[in-house]
Amino acid sequence: GAVVSQHPSWVICKSGTSVKIECRSLDFQATTMFWYRQFPKQSLMLMATSNEGSKATYEQGVEKDKFLINHASLTLSTLTVTSAHPEDSSFYICSASRLAERAYEQYFGPGTRLTVT
Amino acid sequence: QQPVQSPQAVILREGEDAVINCSSSKALYSVHWYRQKHGEAPVFLMILLKGGEQKGHDKISASFNEKKQQSSLYLTASQLSYSGTYFCGTEPPIITQGGSEKLVFGKGTKLTVNP
Repeated sequence: GAVVSQHPSWVICKSGTSVKIECRSLDFQATTMFWYRQFPKQSLMLMATSNEGSKATYEQGVEKDKFLINHASLTLSTLTVTSAHPEDSSFYICSASRLAERAYEQYFGPGTRLTVT
Repeated sequence: QQPVQSPQAVILREGEDAVINCSSSKALYSVHWYRQKHGEAPVFLMILLKGGEQKGHDKISASFNEKKQQSSLYLTASQLSYSGTYFCGTEPPIITQGGSEKLVFGKGTKLTVNP
């Protein structure tokens, strides 16, 4: 159990275009989904927290108008990178949270590698 | 605040043991451990909650000292498949409801197991 999918696995787009990334929890309903960004050989940096039916909460320094998050259901969250630029190239990973015993466990999707040319 | 992991990197021969430490300057509700292989997403290993908890499966175990705000991951009789970068994620407490659910990840410890 606790499988999270992410689509697409990789995407190459031109500067100025928008890219949508989907995150789905396949075998459980996620109370919360998280979006992370990871640069090569670096740690996971939380971008935003997403709850179904409410506005996402963005971390300090993350532009909410650039990284649009929609949490349509308990199993689906999407991240849209608008007007992408080369500096947005990165590995984007989502996670879905599931309550287990007394704490929430996060399960990660396989990630999406975005390259902006 | 980002937890501090040590060491930054470790190289082992198959069958050797390793300890990875995770230390926070803030109070913690829980500590989560993940392993990430190159180009892949992190894989959940285990979670430790308050109360001096210890856990393990197979030859990987972990402990959590809430007073010291530290956790350690123990890998015994390492296998080639243990290679990867290990991250600890720390969860701060919320007075009213346990944990905050948000994790702050350390910079990672790169483990290489050679034959």
